[in-house]
Amino acid sequence: DSGVTQTPKHLITATGQRVTLRCSPRSGDLSVYWYQQSLDQGLQFLIQYYNGEERAKGNILERFSAQQFPDLHSELNLSSLELGDSALYFCASNRGGADSPLHFGNGTRLTVT
Amino acid sequence: EDKVVQSPLSLVVHEGDTVTLNCSYEVTNFRSLLWYKQEKKAPTFLFMLTSSGIEKKSGRLSSILDKKELFSILNITATQTGDSAVYLCAVEGHNTDKLIFGTGTRLQVFP
Repeated sequence: DSGVTQTPKHLITATGQRVTLRCSPRSGDLSVYWYQQSLDQGLQFLIQYYNGEERAKGNILERFSAQQFPDLHSELNLSSLELGDSALYFCASNRGGADSPLHFGNGTRLTVT
Repeated sequence: EDKVVQSPLSLVVHEGDTVTLNCSYEVTNFRSLLWYKQEKKAPTFLFMLTSSGIEKKSGRLSSILDKKELFSILNITATQTGDSAVYLCAVEGHNTDKLIFGTGTRLQVFP
């Protein structure tokens, strides 16, 4: 158990809908990362937050947004969902800074029908 | 653009065999290279290699980093069925906190 908690484990929803994925980082970790993993593309970095502030942005669509709250948990919001958004969404956390490996949650599997 | 290329894509071996997984990378201002093991769910951390630590070993697993040639290898000796997984390589540069992942090597170990 990595200590990173993601909910829900599975989500099935229709195209055009909006969903929210939730992540609680490991105790003491200030940095939260979101990754998308689809079958053909591997792990793609979406966005990173450090202590409530956005630190880095990857290939995140405009339909997606995220935030990190004062208690350090994070939410990833996906809207106007398309079939191609079906994937595993991972949250990871670390202390921040060098020599601090990422620890991943078990992911949320999103299926858009 | 930063990138990570892993080879082979897939590997099928028998228990007891030794395997070598490869990872080559391009990253601006290299800081670290990490190996993860992914079974059914979350990738789990194996090793971190940096300029100050280019060799790591844990049990039957070991890894080296060649910063000059920009690659790393992950060795697994005396493989077991429990080693079956996707092994992911990722790199990080000083200019960014994000990890860039390769697409992984799928290892299947049969009894």
